[in-house]
Amino acid sequence: QKEVEQDPGPLSVPEGAIVSLNCTYSNSAFQYFMWYRQYSRKGPELLMYTYSSGNKEDGRFTAQVDKSSKYISLFIRDSQPSDSATYLCAMILNTGGFKTIFGAGTRLFVKA
Amino acid sequence: GAVVSQHPSWVICKSGTSVKIECRSLDFQATTMFWYRQFPKQSLMLMATSNEGSKATYEQGVEKDKFLINHASLTLSTLTVTSAHPEDSSFYICSARGLAEETQYFGPGTRLLVL
Repeated sequence: QKEVEQDPGPLSVPEGAIVSLNCTYSNSAFQYFMWYRQYSRKGPELLMYTYSSGNKEDGRFTAQVDKSSKYISLFIRDSQPSDSATYLCAMILNTGGFKTIFGAGTRLFVKA
Repeated sequence: GAVVSQHPSWVICKSGTSVKIECRSLDFQATTMFWYRQFPKQSLMLMATSNEGSKATYEQGVEKDKFLINHASLTLSTLTVTSAHPEDSSFYICSARGLAEETQYFGPGTRLLVL
């Protein structure tokens, strides 16, 4: 079993839809949770970063963490074609040194 | 957010030559830098982790003599692909983390094509 599971998609939605991207994890020692966006042929860009259970909002993006269920989500409201990218979840273990584990990434297509 | 740059953004070279890729943290001191490799439509594959002034720690299956990593300063790390071959063609991405940071920031990537 992978430490972090993420459905690779692709996920195709119409413009304006609410997008829900999810990751599950198995190690309860993960302390920090991130979402990165990666456009084709570019490096990943940090979107959201949180360390506690609950919701964190930034514009059209909401990151949700449920530590009891070992489940994190990224919601995108009013999705735009420019949101079409691969979204990677990532989690950090702090066990005497930070170790980041990435999900496989979900490819999102937002159709105009 | 913190900015990480990479140079060159793309490179084409002949088989057998060596290629050096630079990774710089522009507005913070990167105590740890990471080098990843990414094939088309696949996720990031961690190659090695380097701490400033120390030897890099390579992931299993990554040849340290093939992929030389130097992290001589808090703002610069280099990856040298020695005697590159066509199978080394890939997208190489560096990432950096500062002392006070939990998360890491990525460079824009370098596309390497070995002919």
